[in-house]
Amino acid sequence: NAGVTQTPKFRILKIGQSMTLQCTQDMNHNYMYWYRQDPGMGLKLIYYSVGAGITDKGEVPNGYNVSRSTTEDFPLRLELAAPSQTSVYFCASSTRGAYEQYFGPGTRLTVT
Amino acid sequence: TQLLEQSPQFLSIQEGENLTVYCNSSSVFSSLQWYRQEPGEGPVLLVTVVTGGEVKKLKRLTFQFGDARKDSSLHITAAQPGDTGLYLCAGAKWAGNQFYFGTGTSLTVIP
Repeated sequence: NAGVTQTPKFRILKIGQSMTLQCTQDMNHNYMYWYRQDPGMGLKLIYYSVGAGITDKGEVPNGYNVSRSTTEDFPLRLELAAPSQTSVYFCASSTRGAYEQYFGPGTRLTVT
Repeated sequence: TQLLEQSPQFLSIQEGENLTVYCNSSSVFSSLQWYRQEPGEGPVLLVTVVTGGEVKKLKRLTFQFGDARKDSSLHITAAQPGDTGLYLCAGAKWAGNQFYFGTGTSLTVIP
């Protein structure tokens, strides 16, 4: 089992560029989450999804968009990259809400 | 604003020493989880506590959920270099679908 996979592992963006962070899970989990982790700040929830076609905002959704067309995939879109979006992004999945989450390896994004 | 505060933020100890990490909040949680994260990887779940006052042991690690369900602690006995990592607590609210993560405690165990 691959679990939760994320691509790319590293990316450097210029201000104003856009990109999509990919997340795929093969555990048939209904719930998926996107977090960002800044130094010394723990993890902050950006968006989450309770199933295909259903998404909801977390604590810090501004500047991001998500979609959930399949159970397996939950991409995160940055439309106009800003330096404040420099962070490490983690995708996670779980069988149900507020239950054990399985995390991907992360994507380290730098916006300059 | 951070819903869960962890202390200490950084901890560096010698192998064999004991330590306790605290996770505190003014909010009540239905459950609380502890994760460990190693550099370059995602967090990995260590334990979930769901009952006020609950104590769980995982080898040399002891986890406690506060009676009022607002706080938790992680105690490590005879720390080993393999315990080095970032420890994160995460709390779930009643009828919620998301966890709120703490600020993290970075532990270094020196051989």
